[in-house]
Amino acid sequence: AQSVTQLDSHVSVSEGTPVLLRCNYSSSYSPSLFWYVQHPNKGLQLLLKYTSAATLVKGINGFEAEFKKSETSFHLTKPSAHMSDAAEYFCVVSSLSGGYNKLIFGAGTRLAVHP
Amino acid sequence: DTGVSQDPRHKITKRGQNVTFRCDPISEHNRLYWYRQTLGQGPEFLTYFQNEAQLEKSRLLSDRFSAERPKGSFSTLEIQRTEQGDSAMYLCASSSKEGAWGGYTFGSGTRLTVV
Repeated sequence: AQSVTQLDSHVSVSEGTPVLLRCNYSSSYSPSLFWYVQHPNKGLQLLLKYTSAATLVKGINGFEAEFKKSETSFHLTKPSAHMSDAAEYFCVVSSLSGGYNKLIFGAGTRLAVHP
Repeated sequence: DTGVSQDPRHKITKRGQNVTFRCDPISEHNRLYWYRQTLGQGPEFLTYFQNEAQLEKSRLLSDRFSAERPKGSFSTLEIQRTEQGDSAMYLCASSSKEGAWGGYTFGSGTRLTVV
């Protein structure tokens, strides 16, 4: 069965400093992996996706993630945090079931950005 | 058509009452998904439609829950005899067959509070 574990429930950074949100996955086959962001009172927005092409994936708003098969990791990074990055972030793995893919979400990491 | 629409945005109901939520997916998307998100958790899969056919239901979907997509377009999720434990954000998402591996498009959700 496919699953993801987000290693930190809360991360706090200062504006302008790097962001690292950690995610480990478990999958019996080569997975598709995603990061979604959820701002308060807003819907889930796709940040980036890995679908077995380049292992370093660039997303929106300066975020990127690197797929490391040997470490079963898909950590999300950003060189310099902005106040508007404060939100809940979800690492997601795609699970192939009955001929269609189903998204399995991690528990989320709440990112706080301080001035 | 600018995205996935959900109605209502918020619903407060008394325990034991029935509630119905509506989801309008992106018009060209034939796949529709319902998820539930409780406070502090990631979204959990509830059910999946391909066109009008409901192809999978999670064990989370008790007998009090029913979902329909009668014409393969909009979908409804009904909860009968609501309980306080049903309080959550109910999220709808859609995808095309080709786009399914690239992630879903989510609506903003319906927040249900059972008092």
